[in-house]
Amino acid sequence: KQEVTQIPAALSVPEGENLVLNCSFTDSAIYNLQWFRQDPGKGLTSLLLIQSSQREQTSGRLNASLDKSSGRSTLYIAASQPGDSATYLCARGGSNYKLTFGKGTLLTVNP
Amino acid sequence: SAVISQKPSRDICQRGTSLTIQCQVDSQVTMMFWYRQQPGQSLTLIATANQGSEATYESGFVIDKFPISRPNLTFSTLTVSNMSPEDSSIYLCSVGGQGSYNYGYTFGSGTRLTVV
Repeated sequence: KQEVTQIPAALSVPEGENLVLNCSFTDSAIYNLQWFRQDPGKGLTSLLLIQSSQREQTSGRLNASLDKSSGRSTLYIAASQPGDSATYLCARGGSNYKLTFGKGTLLTVNP
Repeated sequence: SAVISQKPSRDICQRGTSLTIQCQVDSQVTMMFWYRQQPGQSLTLIATANQGSEATYESGFVIDKFPISRPNLTFSTLTVSNMSPEDSSIYLCSVGGQGSYNYGYTFGSGTRLTVV
């Protein structure tokens, strides 16, 4: 069974800190990995997509890496802001076009 | 990437009734997906809907409970039938498929369902 695990489940940091969210997956036959943001009671906003042939992707203050051999991905957020407070989900894309999601990391950035 | 309009955004329903959720996409897409997110949990795939064929349901989900329509390449509906409080969740539609390997998946804004 394909599983995706996210650590930590929750994280609280002061504004301005750099932080790392972790995602691990059990099946290395991955096609892509996608990071999403979810605000309370809302849908998902795509942040970054990493193809299996790539090592990392960057968008603004966000950087996501992918290590297929170890089954890990990280999302790095630089200079965190209160507006970054949300739940961050990683999802593994497989050969059947389906996404397998982790349970998410609830991030709180305190002003 | 595609833009999805999902409605309703939220609803409070009586047990035993049914609710139909609609998703409209601004471009033609082959595959649409329906997910459920129970309180405090991550997303679970309910079914995959391709235009012109029956939806494919994941283990634990059945057509009688969650009938899906896919009349064309830009539209799909999910009905939650004979609702009980356990159906209270956020329901989301998503588009992706072959292009997703390059462009990823896009999600609707979600329908927050409360069954009382």
